[in-house]
Amino acid sequence: DQQVKQNSPSLSVQEGRISILNCDYTNSMFDYFLWYKKYPAEGPTFLISISSIKDKNEDGRFTVFLNKSAKHLSLHIVPSQPGDSAVYFCAASVGAGSYQLTFGKGTKLSVIP
Amino acid sequence: DAGVIQSPRHEVTEMGQEVTLRCKPISGHDYLFWYRQTMMRGLELLIYFNNNVPIDDSGMPEDRFSAKMPNASFSTLKIQPSEPRDSAVYFCASSPTGTISYNEQFFGPGTRLTVL
Repeated sequence: DQQVKQNSPSLSVQEGRISILNCDYTNSMFDYFLWYKKYPAEGPTFLISISSIKDKNEDGRFTVFLNKSAKHLSLHIVPSQPGDSAVYFCAASVGAGSYQLTFGKGTKLSVIP
Repeated sequence: DAGVIQSPRHEVTEMGQEVTLRCKPISGHDYLFWYRQTMMRGLELLIYFNNNVPIDDSGMPEDRFSAKMPNASFSTLKIQPSEPRDSAVYFCASSPTGTISYNEQFFGPGTRLTVL
């Protein structure tokens, strides 16, 4: 059973518009969440994270929102650029300092010029 | 700075053969992780080490899989005997203790394994 779910395998967005990638989790013990980005033939790279004590974290064009009551988080990319085309993985962990991550299956984002 | 290094990048083998995947973590990182990525299951943690000691191997699918970390700069993941269902991309990742962003892991490029 998947504890971290990314229900949209793919998403297409026009350049300049907002991309919204969603992630749901079932384990209420998760308290730290991360987004990774992966290009073909490369390993995932860390993008942004959020602790459960916050509901929003922003880094440039990337913002992650956390809704603990709904066990839902989302990644917003504004404005979307063609270089953002990649697979995005949501990940979660239990406890600050836990090094064990549970990943979703990923969402492939295509930004159309 | 060199990132996580994995070898080989691609491996094609026949069912029943032994396969060894190799990983060199980033110098100074004391956590090392092995993941497997498949279409069906996504990215799964197989095992991780802290200071060369295996901490959790509950993700290792079965006894055919084994992992070692003889020193701080080298780890292996071995599959013996290999089966077609082991075909996947295997990633190694490393992490230092106390990163600014908790749990940030640095991934290698992966080894694509095909078992015929």
